[in-house]
Amino acid sequence: ETGVTQSPTHLIKTRGQQVTLRCSSQSGHNTVSWYQQALGQGPQFIFQYYREEENGRGNFPPRFSGLQFPNYSSELNVNALELDDSALYLCASSFQAAIRSPLHFGNGTRLTVT
Amino acid sequence: GENVEQHPSTLSVQEGDSAVIKCTYSDSASNYFPWYKQELGKGPQLIIDIRSNVGEKKDQRIAVTLNKTAKHFSLHITETQPEDSAVYFCAAYPNNNDMRFGAGTRLTVKP
Repeated sequence: ETGVTQSPTHLIKTRGQQVTLRCSSQSGHNTVSWYQQALGQGPQFIFQYYREEENGRGNFPPRFSGLQFPNYSSELNVNALELDDSALYLCASSFQAAIRSPLHFGNGTRLTVT
Repeated sequence: GENVEQHPSTLSVQEGDSAVIKCTYSDSASNYFPWYKQELGKGPQLIIDIRSNVGEKKDQRIAVTLNKTAKHFSLHITETQPEDSAVYFCAAYPNNNDMRFGAGTRLTVKP
């Protein structure tokens, strides 16, 4: 069973730039959720993708956008980077079902905005 | 929306002792409560979860209890070992897809 993989592991960007983070879901999973984890805090929900469409969104501005591909992998795009966007970005996959199913996280992408 | 509070923020125990972490939630519609362990440089790893139709669940040295009336749930780790040292997060999952996490508890197990 292949787990959730994220790339890159680390990234340094300048304020105002754009970034794309990638995630491959665990085999057998069809839903991908993205979370932002600031240092010393719990993960915060950005959005979820199911059947290639956004299926719920947290309190993040439109400059955070995403995609899901037919193979269930996903991208998180952030435009006009701000210093506060520096965080660990976590991708989690799950099998969408009528009842809540466990989220399986990757090891994240550490984004630093200077 | 859902609000999850977690206590304590740090916890230090001697090897072999028990550790208890407590969480409260606000949204009575939440029906799924997972616990995650996060080690340095890694993503959160699911260690145990409980659904709202169950009051207690145990998996070897780890147990979780849920009190729906009081809206709180707890993680119990018995016979702690140094490898249990990590940050632990509770979470609550309401009817939307926004799973809310607590702020985390840094557990240190001293050998």
